[in-house]
Amino acid sequence: SQQGEEDPQALSIQEGENATMNCSYKTSINNLQWYRQNSGRGLVHLILIRSNEREKHSGRLRVTLDTSKKSSSLLITASRAADTASYFCATAAGDNFNKFYFGSGTKLNVKP
Amino acid sequence: NAGVTQTPKFQVLKTGQSMTLQCAQDMNHEYMSWYRQDPGMGLRLIHYSVGAGITDQGEVPNGYNVSRSTTEDFPLRLLSAAPSQTSVYFCASSWGQTQETQYFGPGTRLLVL
Repeated sequence: SQQGEEDPQALSIQEGENATMNCSYKTSINNLQWYRQNSGRGLVHLILIRSNEREKHSGRLRVTLDTSKKSSSLLITASRAADTASYFCATAAGDNFNKFYFGSGTKLNVKP
Repeated sequence: NAGVTQTPKFQVLKTGQSMTLQCAQDMNHEYMSWYRQDPGMGLRLIHYSVGAGITDQGEVPNGYNVSRSTTEDFPLRLLSAAPSQTSVYFCASSWGQTQETQYFGPGTRLLVL
């Protein structure tokens, strides 16, 4: 399966701290995206990084991609209680970028 | 714009019953897809469509049918519901192909008894 895996499965931090979560995948990709899901809600797109990019920033988010290790990381700086959610990486397969695969997610809890 | 809408929000079915989950988008997106999310897990792709009249299978297509007669609508049909299909179903859409951001609907919670 192409499906990515996030690590850790759960993360609990204090407000103001940084949160780092990792994603690994198995085969070549076209791009990798990170999504957030608040409890009981749909997913919201955070950031997309293409296979020829190594790092991307968006506000308090920083994403890195290492295609040689087939891994990506999402860093949330100066976390807030409102960042409490599950975070998923998703990959579009390199041989069929119409097929999209999600990882199992990291559940982030930011304590006020 | 309403974005991506899904109906119903919640449904209870008995084993063997059939039903259609509705999905509509008003953003003129070419790409639409259906996912299921089981407790504590990520989303798995059921079927997708790259435009009206074109559909294809995803990772877990068995037990589900789709059609795409218009750009706006992408219904998912459960032919004969089974308890293993108890899940939360999400519809998503995007411009062009999956290189673009996917916009998700709020989900349909399905319980099959």
